[in-house]
Amino acid sequence: QVQLQESGPGLVKPSQTLSLTCTVSGGSITSGTYYWSWIRQPAGKGLEWIGRIHTNGGTNYNPSLKSRATISGDTSKNQFSLNLSSVTAADTAVYYCAREYLGDDYYFDYWGQGTLVTVSS
Amino acid sequence: DIQMTQSPSSLSASVGDRVTITCRASQGIRHELGWYQQKPGKAPKSLIYAASSLQSGVPSRFSGSGSGTEFTLTISSLQPEDFATYYCQQHNSYPRTFGPGTKVEIK
Repeated sequence: QVQLQESGPGLVKPSQTLSLTCTVSGGSITSGTYYWSWIRQPAGKGLEWIGRIHTNGGTNYNPSLKSRATISGDTSKNQFSLNLSSVTAADTAVYYCAREYLGDDYYFDYWGQGTLVTVSS
Repeated sequence: DIQMTQSPSSLSASVGDRVTITCRASQGIRHELGWYQQKPGKAPKSLIYAASSLQSGVPSRFSGSGSGTEFTLTISSLQPEDFATYYCQQHNSYPRTFGPGTKVEIK
């Protein structure tokens, strides 16, 4: 059974960089059949896709984040990470990592439990 | 970006009711749409992919239909465990975008 687990600071100061890691168990991030994604959800609001990384290192990001997001992978630890720079209160949200299946159709089949990140001084 | 809208934003229904949620895309996305269920404090769960294919383990009372710009999620007979928020999501192009959600509440 594939499991994803987010980790990182729950509190980040404005203008600093938010850094989160997703540890994957029960499956390898080197599999070419998946993208590894970050998605966030402000309290009481909807879901926003941040970006994703493929096993070949290719990335895509949401333009709404204005190039503040960087996603990287560490195959030796079976982890992938999100850095979000110059954060403001608007970046306060529950952050999820998720696996996007790339088969006959695409969908997010496994998700982490989510981690709340608050941006505040 | 492809904008996704959903209607209604919320609804009240009783156990046993038939419930239909509509999702519209700002441009054609063929059948490249999924539906997710989210309960409070939990991550979303995939219910439907490719607009109408049921995920393994999802009860058959859930069904999806549509293509192009208009899609529907139907729950044929609402059960107590179905009270949740439902999101549609397109994967036709980047960035991936979700609808704003439909909250299904107990009447």
